[in-house]
Amino acid sequence: DSGVTQTPKHLITATGQRVTLRCSPRSGDLSVYWYQQSLDQGLQFLIQYYNGEERAKGNILERFSAQQFPDLHSELNLSSLELGDSALYFCASSVDVGLDLTDTQYFGPGTRLTVL
Amino acid sequence: ILNVEQSPQSLHVQEGDSTNFTCSFPSSNFYALHWYRWETAKSPEALFVMTLNGDEKKKGRISATLNTKEGYSYLYIKGSQPEDSATYLCALKDMDSNYQLIWGAGTKLIIKP
Repeated sequence: DSGVTQTPKHLITATGQRVTLRCSPRSGDLSVYWYQQSLDQGLQFLIQYYNGEERAKGNILERFSAQQFPDLHSELNLSSLELGDSALYFCASSVDVGLDLTDTQYFGPGTRLTVL
Repeated sequence: ILNVEQSPQSLHVQEGDSTNFTCSFPSSNFYALHWYRWETAKSPEALFVMTLNGDEKKKGRISATLNTKEGYSYLYIKGSQPEDSATYLCALKDMDSNYQLIWGAGTKLIIKP
């Protein structure tokens, strides 16, 4: 158990809908990262938040947005969902902003999103 | 665009045999290389963080080496066991990528009993 929690574990929804995925980082971690893993694809970095502020953006679609709250939990909002958004969404957390060489990311169990 | 390559894409190894696979990366602004293990139906777990040229790290039967000048890292597994079956990911932390981890696609290792 990494100490990172994600809810829900599974989510089934229809095209055009909007969903929110939630992540609570490990105690003491200030950075939260969101990743997408589609079928037969590797980990695609979406976005990072550090202590409430957006730190870095990866391949995140405009239909997706995220935020990190004062208690450091984070939410990833996916809207106007398409079939191709079906994927496993991971949240990871780390202590620092990422400049530390050894700053390790700890992954949550993931949320499997199925868009029908 | 930075590219981290892992080879082979997948590997079948007989239980008890030793094996190794490669992570290749551009070496110009190297900062750190992370190895993760990702078992099916679980989430990626950190194995090693490697920072210096010539670094060698070991955890049980798994070890890794790093060559930053030529841009590669090897992961070795000695005496493979069924529980070693997993996808092994490497990720580069680089100054050009604003210190974000750039992930390889992974090597899927299957241990045959």
